[in-house]
Amino acid sequence: ETGVTQSPTHLIKTRGQQVTLRCSSQSGHNTVSWYQQALGQGPQFIFQYYREEENGRGNFPPRFSGLQFPNYSSELNVNALELDDSALYLCASSLRSSGSGEKLFFGSGTQLSVL
Amino acid sequence: AQSVTQLDSHVSVSEGTPVLLRCNYSSSYSPSLFWYVQHPNKGLQLLLKYTSAATLVKGINGFEAEFKKSETSFHLTKPSAHMSDAAEYFCVVSDRSGYALNFGKGTSLLVTP
Repeated sequence: ETGVTQSPTHLIKTRGQQVTLRCSSQSGHNTVSWYQQALGQGPQFIFQYYREEENGRGNFPPRFSGLQFPNYSSELNVNALELDDSALYLCASSLRSSGSGEKLFFGSGTQLSVL
Repeated sequence: AQSVTQLDSHVSVSEGTPVLLRCNYSSSYSPSLFWYVQHPNKGLQLLLKYTSAATLVKGINGFEAEFKKSETSFHLTKPSAHMSDAAEYFCVVSDRSGYALNFGKGTSLLVTP
């Protein structure tokens, strides 16, 4: 177990709705990243938060937004859901260091289905 | 820009035989390279990581990978497959900042008795 927990594990929404996914980081970690994994694909980087600020973003529209809280837990919010948003959403926590390629610890994910 | 290509979407081996999962990368800088494994209903787990030290990287569960700059490859190997190795394997390259990971499409490893 990585110590990264995500909730809920499964979620069903309809097009146009909004959704909030939650992540609790591993103790001692100060960075959280979110990834989207479509069926049969590798995960794609959505964004990363470090010390409560967005620190990098992948090729995702602004309706994907996030928050990191002082206790380093995090939320991923998606507005105006589209059918293509159906995917496994993965949260990963890490400890920011001076080097590159920091080790990420992934949660088991939230499976979102948009109908 | 940086990217990885996993050359096989599915690999099937018999238990006790060697495993080879192939990965080529493309990067305009010296990348950090990783292999992650994803078992069903479980999170991604880091197998090993290359960051410009030794070109032969040893990971967990008997896996290792060799970084070959001339071939831009980072293939994952294991001498003897175990049934518990059946999973999805991802080759990954970090972006220039080192904070975002770019995943390949994955290779599904099947281990038969």
